[in-house]
Amino acid sequence: GENVEQHPSTLSVQEGDSAVIKCTYSDSASNYFPWYKQELGKGPQLIIDIRSNVGEKKDQRIAVTLNKTAKHFSLHITETQPEDSAVYFCAAESNDYKLSFGAGTTVTVRA
Amino acid sequence: NAGVTQTPKFRILKIGQSMTLQCTQDMNHNYMYWYRQDPGMGLKLIYYSVGAGITDKGEVPNGYNVSRSTTEDFPLRLELAAPSQTSVYFCASSYRGTNTGELFFGEGSRLTVL
Repeated sequence: GENVEQHPSTLSVQEGDSAVIKCTYSDSASNYFPWYKQELGKGPQLIIDIRSNVGEKKDQRIAVTLNKTAKHFSLHITETQPEDSAVYFCAAESNDYKLSFGAGTTVTVRA
Repeated sequence: NAGVTQTPKFRILKIGQSMTLQCTQDMNHNYMYWYRQDPGMGLKLIYYSVGAGITDKGEVPNGYNVSRSTTEDFPLRLELAAPSQTSVYFCASSYRGTNTGELFFGEGSRLTVL
């Protein structure tokens, strides 16, 4: 099955700086890569996703890049704000239509 | 708009007890899932269902059972609770499966087995 590794496990950034979270996956057949944000006491919520036929996708201050050759993808958050503080999960899905999640990154934005 | 509703939010069980975590969604989604979240481990799929009357095992199904008699409801049953089942459980639903549809999660049920 798919194995997704996520780094770093914790990330502290100054407000206004950028945050980058990286994930690698093992199954070369994976073709869908979503990112979920989990705020304290809540369930995860989709913030952006990318499919294997696209190398980069942006949505305002967040962007995701995908390198299929190297089997890794990354989340970039620019101009971080206090409300970006949360746990972020990457995930990958292969042909069995089941998502495999990374272990999560706790992001803290310092004021 | 309720979305995905889980009950209870918190529960403490003794070893060997049984209980059911309830999950209901009002979005008419075909697909429903149960995940468990352990610290530093991400989300692990326990069971999923692609429609009423159809269920299948995920990555970590041992010690759990599910049923899907209606589109709206997808309860998770723990028959003989063990300390290893201490976790936060999330129910989720999607319209057409994770590759073609966003997962909508409930707020979670925190279970402690002592």
